[in-house]
Amino acid sequence: EVQLVESGGGLVQPGGSLRLSCAASGFTFSSFEMNWVRQAPGKGLEWVSFISGGGSAIYYGDSVRGRFTISRDNAKNSLYLQLNSLRAEDTAVYYCAREGRVYSFDYWGQGTLVTVSS
Amino acid sequence: QSALTQPASVSGSPGQSITISCTGTSSDVGNYNYVSWYQQHPGKAPKLMIYEVSNRPSGVSNRFSGSKSGNTASLTISGLQTEDEADYYCSSYTTSSTLLFGGGTKLTVL
Repeated sequence: EVQLVESGGGLVQPGGSLRLSCAASGFTFSSFEMNWVRQAPGKGLEWVSFISGGGSAIYYGDSVRGRFTISRDNAKNSLYLQLNSLRAEDTAVYYCAREGRVYSFDYWGQGTLVTVSS
Repeated sequence: QSALTQPASVSGSPGQSITISCTGTSSDVGNYNYVSWYQQHPGKAPKLMIYEVSNRPSGVSNRFSGSKSGNTASLTISGLQTEDEADYYCSSYTTSSTLLFGGGTKLTVL
């Protein structure tokens, strides 16, 4: 059974940093591209970042480029998102999602909440 | 980049059909057949319902169908059931190598 479990969310002050993790199981992690998607409270979905199976191709959404860094460790079946220079508008539930179909996400984690507030 | 445009809400009665539109531009929806649709119930993670405009993943009811014309994609749900009540989001790949989501549509089954 495919499982994605995020962790690392919490309360952080504006300008602070946080590292999110996503533990994958039930599939060959290195064979799949992975993404982070976020959802602000009561708002819609926003794509955050993409990383290819081997980690050589990486893309970011305009609102996070230069502040967030996506990475993966295929030996540990884990996906990461380093969040720096956090702003109030980064407050959201962050989901990791497997790209099982081209540019489509067939499995999602349960999400981890990041709250940026003083 | 602005989000793809979806109606904020749609409604229908059990057994009826509804269609949710998703309008983009020639840089996203109009340029690729990489439109997906997701269903999200309150407090839950999104679920993939349609990929590549009109394909259903295994396990998704054939009451759900997708199509595209020009810069607008559509999701049709036939034979509405109470459990279809949820938020629906479209997404599309873009010429900037990014992914855009729609603003979301709340479906109410009356």
